[in-house]
Amino acid sequence: GAGVSQSPRYKVAKRGQDVALRCDPISGHVSLFWYQQALGQGPEFLTYFQNEAQLDKSGLPSDRFFAERPEGSVSTLKIQRTQQEDSAVYLCASSSPGEPSYEQYFGPGTRLTVT
Amino acid sequence: GENVEQHPSTLSVQEGDSAVIKCTYSDSASNYFPWYKQELGKGPQLIIDIRSNVGEKKDQRIAVTLNKTAKHFSLHITETQPEDSAVYFCAASDRLNDYKLSFGAGTTVTVRA
Repeated sequence: GAGVSQSPRYKVAKRGQDVALRCDPISGHVSLFWYQQALGQGPEFLTYFQNEAQLDKSGLPSDRFFAERPEGSVSTLKIQRTQQEDSAVYLCASSSPGEPSYEQYFGPGTRLTVT
Repeated sequence: GENVEQHPSTLSVQEGDSAVIKCTYSDSASNYFPWYKQELGKGPQLIIDIRSNVGEKKDQRIAVTLNKTAKHFSLHITETQPEDSAVYFCAASDRLNDYKLSFGAGTTVTVRA
């Protein structure tokens, strides 16, 4: 079946531009996560949705980062006034919560380069 | 928050040999420890996980061991094959929220044919 998809796969932005990254989770998955992965590092948690509710945004690095999931399916991560330090791969994951595990299925990521 | 350290950062093994990756974590209340494999240009893929009420878990050539007292867990890959070459990440859950994972920095495994 279809996995998590993300678009665009690559994005180049000039410093100061706004960007929007899209995530299509696995159909029926209630939970959705965004992570930021810097080069040579592990993913870092940004935010978590359960359906349309954003239950945890503790990992968002600044108020320039905003995520939404208005209908409980597709999600968009928006970064305003991009800075060079925002350059990273942005990963989306989805899961269907239930015991005993919270297996998260990751998409291929969007590589953002800010010049 | 949780702090996860992973060693080694790179590992080169001969095909057929075993590979071992070790991780330590800081929060004794963490109770979920997944391992992910990431190939170039792809997202991480869960390969095995373990919960704190279990000491060891196996799935074919892959095994994970957990030592809660010492706060460390390890991934063992036996009879390595070239397709095992990838970056491997360990992770540990937040003490209050299982969904919130803290990842190690990754181990690049190269299997030499």
